Amino acid sequence: DTAVSQTPKYLVTQMGNDKSIKCEQNLGHDTMYWYKQDSKKFLKIMFSYNNKELIINETVPNRFSPKSPDKAHLNLHINSLELGDSAVYFCASSLTWGHDQPQHFGDGTRLSIL
Amino acid sequence: SQQGEEDPQALSIQEGENATMNCSYKTSINNLQWYRQNSGRGLVHLILIRSNEREKHSGRLRVTLDTSKKSSSLLITASRAADTASYFCATGLANQAGTALIFGKGTTLSVSS
Repeated sequence: DTAVSQTPKYLVTQMGNDKSIKCEQNLGHDTMYWYKQDSKKFLKIMFSYNNKELIINETVPNRFSPKSPDKAHLNLHINSLELGDSAVYFCASSLTWGHDQPQHFGDGTRLSIL
Repeated sequence: SQQGEEDPQALSIQEGENATMNCSYKTSINNLQWYRQNSGRGLVHLILIRSNEREKHSGRLRVTLDTSKKSSSLLITASRAADTASYFCATGLANQAGTALIFGKGTTLSVSS
């Protein structure tokens, strides 16, 4: 069973469109994350939720809006997509919030903006 | 430059050799984690070392931490082709429990058979 699953795996779309990425974890974890990995493999935190509450909201354009309907799900909606949004987006989860918590990652969503 | 930086950026070795990757950071940390990322996949947690620990082992992995030099190293012994991946360190800043882990840019390891 996949622990952290993201859909879709690939997303190719045009500039200006709105798209969503879904993430689900079946590990029973309290904390979930969204990361953006650029073409140079630099991984940057975007958002983190703990028990459905937003606890980290890095400097991300407000075109990006996360939503956590329950502890097992964290979705990412992106409005008015721009060329610079092309990247791989990773969802992750950890048992609880804290620097000492190993994170479990999904396999990423590869977003390409035409 | 950022909190965690791995060195070297890329490393090519033969199967059976040892691979050593280093991570340097700038500010005091609570702990440091190492992750592996295979091509096209998500990151996989390898090992966590706390600021009061100097060395940890897990199978063929050995991690050291030198807080006085603000550096950590990951040693993979007797490497295999399957170890080919990118390796990242991630740090949690001391006294900033509300902040996220900060990932370095990674070392790309290629192990040829």
